[in-house]
Amino acid sequence: EAGVAQSPRYKIIEKRQSVAFWCNPISGHATLYWYQQILGQGPKLLIQFQNNGVVDDSQLPKDRFSAERLKGVDSTLKIQPAKLEDSAVYLCASSLGPMGGRGPEQFFGPGTRLTVL
Amino acid sequence: AQKITQTQPGMFVQEKEAVTLDCTYDTSDQSYGLFWYKQPSSGEMIFLIYQGSYDEQNATEGRYSLNFQKARKSANLVISASQLGDSAMYFCAMRNYGGSQGNLIFGKGTKLSVKP
Repeated sequence: EAGVAQSPRYKIIEKRQSVAFWCNPISGHATLYWYQQILGQGPKLLIQFQNNGVVDDSQLPKDRFSAERLKGVDSTLKIQPAKLEDSAVYLCASSLGPMGGRGPEQFFGPGTRLTVL
Repeated sequence: AQKITQTQPGMFVQEKEAVTLDCTYDTSDQSYGLFWYKQPSSGEMIFLIYQGSYDEQNATEGRYSLNFQKARKSANLVISASQLGDSAMYFCAMRNYGGSQGNLIFGKGTKLSVKP
């Protein structure tokens, strides 16, 4: 079974530029998550989708970050304009459902490492 | 509010020995789950082990076991017979299953280095 795919794996941009990340979840997984992991910290949830609807985006900096999941499969996360403090690894994860059960529901992709200069 | 605390930024262990990674948590919910993930240098988060708050027995998965002490709110990960491939970051996480179902909250992680 294919895992969660993300691209690009690495991205370097200048501050105030725009950047977009792509995620393809495990086939059949209805729930998709984007996390931000700053160096030296654990991942922090940015946004959660259930199919193509947003379940939780309370920690998404909406003035510069946006995300969409058209057709309820692939998702893109965009930053516009980027700031120095956005340098981090952006992890995508997916699960069958909205974690209503018990156990290891979420499966993570390899992440995109963003460096903002 | 939920909180996960991992007090060991880095740990060293000799190959083939056992190691314990500490994790304490804080929550007001009675129903919650505790997770451990491994993050190698390649970046992906790999699930290791899960413990539910109502599980009476400590979870075990191969060389991994979770030492769950509910009264002390601790969920330490024990890795037996360490291997060189165990060198990685390890994250403890929790999720509340109570009224306001939250998502995974992670600690800051512990970097484990296995020495040959």
